[in-house]
Amino acid sequence: DQQVKQNSPSLSVQEGRISILNCDYTNSMFDYFLWYKKYPAEGPTFLISISSIKDKNEDGRFTVFLNKSAKHLSLHIVPSQPGDSAVYFCAASKGYSTLTFGKGTMLLVSP
Amino acid sequence: KAGVTQTPRYLIKTRGQQVTLSCSPISGHRSVSWYQQTPGQGLQFLFEYFSETQRNKGNFPGRFSGRQFSNSRSEMNVSTLELGDSALYLCASSLTAEGEQFFGPGTRLTVL
Repeated sequence: DQQVKQNSPSLSVQEGRISILNCDYTNSMFDYFLWYKKYPAEGPTFLISISSIKDKNEDGRFTVFLNKSAKHLSLHIVPSQPGDSAVYFCAASKGYSTLTFGKGTMLLVSP
Repeated sequence: KAGVTQTPRYLIKTRGQQVTLSCSPISGHRSVSWYQQTPGQGLQFLFEYFSETQRNKGNFPGRFSGRQFSNSRSEMNVSTLELGDSALYLCASSLTAEGEQFFGPGTRLTVL
């Protein structure tokens, strides 16, 4: 049973527009959520996180929104840049313990 | 500061063989976690070590094992390899058991 789901395997966006990546979770015990970005031949790198006591966290062009009642979170990238093209993984944990990852969404930002 | 290093970066084995992968965490980091990444399953947690003790284990068969040394370096071993073990194996280290995880580049294992 997949506890963290990223239902869109891929997303294509034009440079300068908004990219919205979505993630759903089923385990109501999760209270810490993270987004990682992964380029080919590299390990995932931490992007942004949010704890369940917040519904929004912003860091530059990246904003994560959390809707606890819907068990849904989203990552907004504004404006999108070609260098943002990568695979984005959503992850969740109870506390700061073991991370449960989604399968990832490949974002392609075209010039 | 050097990042997480994993060796080897690429490995080709045949079914039935065993393999050992190595991970050197960031200096000072005491927690090491291992993940398996496959196209169909994304990143799946294998196990986590902190101060040479296994703290958590994912839902993988006993063929997958690991250990951590006193210098925090970690190894994982897969015995009796199967075709389905072909994957990217990622290691992540963190300063504490609850800290932010930093990932290495991974070891690409191909089982023929």
